[in-house]
Amino acid sequence: AQSVAQPEDQVNVAEGNPLTVKCTYSVSGNPYLFWYVQYPNRGLQFLLKYITGDNLVKGSYGFEAEFNKSQTSFHLKKPSALVSDSALYFCAVPGNYGQNFVFGPGTRLSVLP
Amino acid sequence: DAGVIQSPRHEVTEMGQEVTLRCKPISGHDYLFWYRQTMMRGLELLIYFNNNVPIDDSGMPEDRFSAKMPNASFSTLKIQPSEPRDSAVYFCASSRRIYEQYFGPGTRLTVT
Repeated sequence: AQSVAQPEDQVNVAEGNPLTVKCTYSVSGNPYLFWYVQYPNRGLQFLLKYITGDNLVKGSYGFEAEFNKSQTSFHLKKPSALVSDSALYFCAVPGNYGQNFVFGPGTRLSVLP
Repeated sequence: DAGVIQSPRHEVTEMGQEVTLRCKPISGHDYLFWYRQTMMRGLELLIYFNNNVPIDDSGMPEDRFSAKMPNASFSTLKIQPSEPRDSAVYFCASSRRIYEQYFGPGTRLTVT
């Protein structure tokens, strides 16, 4: 079965420092990988995706993610964190039927001023 | 585009009452998804539709839950009778291209 894991419930980082939110996956076949963000009292928003091609994927709001096949990881990164990046981040893979998602449990990112 | 629209944004009801949640997807999107989010279980897919037809309802918790999509611009999720354990945030999402779902703001349901 398709699955993703986010090993950290909470990540704290100081404003201006680089941030990393971790995700590992287990899928059959070629992986399609996604990151979504949820700001307080809002629905999820698409950040970026990896389908094929370059291992470094650039997305919205200055975020990027690095696909590592040998480590089955797809970590989300940003060179310089902003307080406004504080939110809940979800890693996701397509489910068995292709159109739905299997979401990870989420990682709460807090960027401290 | 106004995005995915959900109503109501908040619903408080008593156990045993019927609850109806509403969703208007983005125009032109032919996939519609209903999710439930709780602290304990995270984000769960309940059901999704393609061209108004239910494709996968395996996530619907039990017979108390039902969902309909009578046309391309409207869907409902109904809980009858409601129970306290149904308290959650319910999200509707729609998509046109594969894997890029757009989520609504959610309906926060509290069943007392």
